[in-house]
Amino acid sequence: EVVLTQSPGTLSLSPGERATLSCRASQSFSSYFLAWYQQKPGQAPRLLIYGASGRATGIPDRFSGSGSGTDFTLTISRLEPEDFAVYYCQHYGSSPLTFGGGTKVELK
Amino acid sequence: QLQLQESGPGLVKPSETLSLTCSVSGGSISSTFYFWGWIRQSPGKGLEWIGSVSYSGDTFYNPSLKSRVAISEDTSKIHLTLSLNSVTAADTAVYFCARRPSGDLPFDIWGQGTLVTVSS
Repeated sequence: EVVLTQSPGTLSLSPGERATLSCRASQSFSSYFLAWYQQKPGQAPRLLIYGASGRATGIPDRFSGSGSGTDFTLTISRLEPEDFAVYYCQHYGSSPLTFGGGTKVELK
Repeated sequence: QLQLQESGPGLVKPSETLSLTCSVSGGSISSTFYFWGWIRQSPGKGLEWIGSVSYSGDTFYNPSLKSRVAISEDTSKIHLTLSLNSVTAADTAVYFCARRPSGDLPFDIWGQGTLVTVSS
């Protein structure tokens, strides 16, 4: 099983700042199978990034993903008010599919 | 536009069976382009993949739940069902159904989720 560890647990930032979120895997896998989701309170997760760096339909270009092997990063170039939420990484290349514990991006 | 909606009892007694339905509108479960899955979210364990079913009816389960779970489609091809038996308080969670395109892509469309509490 691929265990995903996200850091930091909480990121306190202001609108306009850059957010850098980390996802580290317990074993190496193809970046083809790494996704990022955004979740707001009371809502379902929303797919942002697939294949480590591909933006899902309708996702603004301020969201970007990168990484390979065991280290992956989600970057939000300039935070907008609607970006304050919890972000999860997910491995979907083999069973069981697994999720990281999440990083909360909160308003400073 | 495809939409998913979970439904079922909000309260289940310990040791009983949790049964949920995911209704698909604007599409069909029988499309060969998609898998369909269940994911749950509890405060203690975050997001947890429960299992998935393919367009051909093949099922894939999380090993941690495999002995207690069953996912199936009904013959109308617009409903997906989840059955989880011998529930305990640890199964209290929000349960989501979601679509996963074939071709090795992640879940791209999710239902809003339904809260299930296990309590006597």
